[in-house]
Amino acid sequence: AIQMTQSPSSLSASVGDRVTITCRASQGIRNDLGWYQQKPGKAPKLLIYAASSLQSGVPSRFSGSGSGTDFTLTISSLQPEDFATYYCLQDYNYPFTFGPGTKVDIK
Amino acid sequence: QITLKESGPTLVKPTQTLTLTCTFSGFSLSTSGVGVGWIRQPPGKALEWLALIYWDDDKRYSPSLKSRLTITKDTSKNQVVLTMTNMDPVDTATYYCARRKLASPESEYWGQGTLVTVSS
Repeated sequence: AIQMTQSPSSLSASVGDRVTITCRASQGIRNDLGWYQQKPGKAPKLLIYAASSLQSGVPSRFSGSGSGTDFTLTISSLQPEDFATYYCLQDYNYPFTFGPGTKVDIK
Repeated sequence: QITLKESGPTLVKPTQTLTLTCTFSGFSLSTSGVGVGWIRQPPGKALEWLALIYWDDDKRYSPSLKSRLTITKDTSKNQVVLTMTNMDPVDTATYYCARRKLASPESEYWGQGTLVTVSS
């Protein structure tokens, strides 16, 4: 199975900060990667699909980049509602695998 | 409007078999490319992908759990059922079902999840 790693595992940031989260796959996955935001007690919400495509309704401060094995989620200006845990998911092949998550909290 | 909702027991005993049902509306699992899968999340831990069934009855499983999992669909009832045998306390988690569509990753919808506790 393809292993997904994320860094950092957690970060503290202030409103207005630029935040970058990275995800690395153990083998090439083209651009078959999604980014999810999860808040406590809620289902994950798809933010980015196909590595860099913004899901409908998601604010433009979220962006994704990368291809192959290295991917990045960027929040250009962190807002209060963005404090959450973020996961990447590869759907290049089965079994699909999630990264371990990155928790973004208030500094 | 597409919705999915998970249902099943909230408490199961060790060694028992868990049966979860995902009941959905707003789409058909007989439509080409459509699939419904299961993902779980132990309290305070990461998401784990479990299984997926497609419109054509193609089934995919997590290798680490394959021997314990069975996924089936009832197209007429708009339901997908996941069974997991030999439950253990480490299987305590919130279980989610989600719809996806081949070649359309943006067409993904999740249920609200259901918490299953394994305890004697």
